Amino acid sequence: AQKVTQAQTEISVVEKEDVTLDCVYETRDTTYYLFWYKQPPSGELVFLIRRNSFDEQNEISGRYSWNFQKSTSSFNFTITASQVVDSAVYFCALSEADSSYKLIFGSGTRLLVRP
Amino acid sequence: DAGVIQSPRHEVTEMGQEVTLRCKPISGHDYLFWYRQTMMRGLELLIYFNNNVPIDDSGMPEDRFSAKMPNASFSTLKIQPSEPRDSAVYFCASTWGGETQYFGPGTRLLVL
Repeated sequence: AQKVTQAQTEISVVEKEDVTLDCVYETRDTTYYLFWYKQPPSGELVFLIRRNSFDEQNEISGRYSWNFQKSTSSFNFTITASQVVDSAVYFCALSEADSSYKLIFGSGTRLLVRP
Repeated sequence: DAGVIQSPRHEVTEMGQEVTLRCKPISGHDYLFWYRQTMMRGLELLIYFNNNVPIDDSGMPEDRFSAKMPNASFSTLKIQPSEPRDSAVYFCASTWGGETQYFGPGTRLLVL
């Protein structure tokens, strides 16, 4: 059965600190996608990144970076030099080719960046 | 390009009333998903369509919920009769080919 676990319920950091959000997933499918979405206080869900199961290359986009490791079934998200505007709930999600790409979400990690 | 459009953005209704939520997917997308977000259950899939055909409605809570997609540019989620426990944020999302899902702004529903 597919499952996404975000063990960190809430993280609080001071501005400019680096922070890593953890995501562990379970799937039996060999073809799957992993996602991160951001939900700011305004409530919308903003797509950040998608990785497929055949591409373990890490990715960097500005202050954001993602570490995908199939060996540990993890897809962690790091924000470097955090800013107040990064305060939001971050969701990790999984979709599988065998399940017609339905998204299974983790419970989310609330990040608070204090000035 | 316009993103996914949902209406209304906020809805307050009384228990027993019918509620209709609307969604316009991104043009050209062939999948449409309805999700519900609550504090207790998080984000959960209710139903999804492929090429306007409902594929999986196993997430629909009960018979009070129904969804339609009469054409590629419009979908509705209806709750009749509504109950206080239906209070939640309802999101619509669309995608092409099952890849990245783009979400609408959500409809915040409060049933009194």
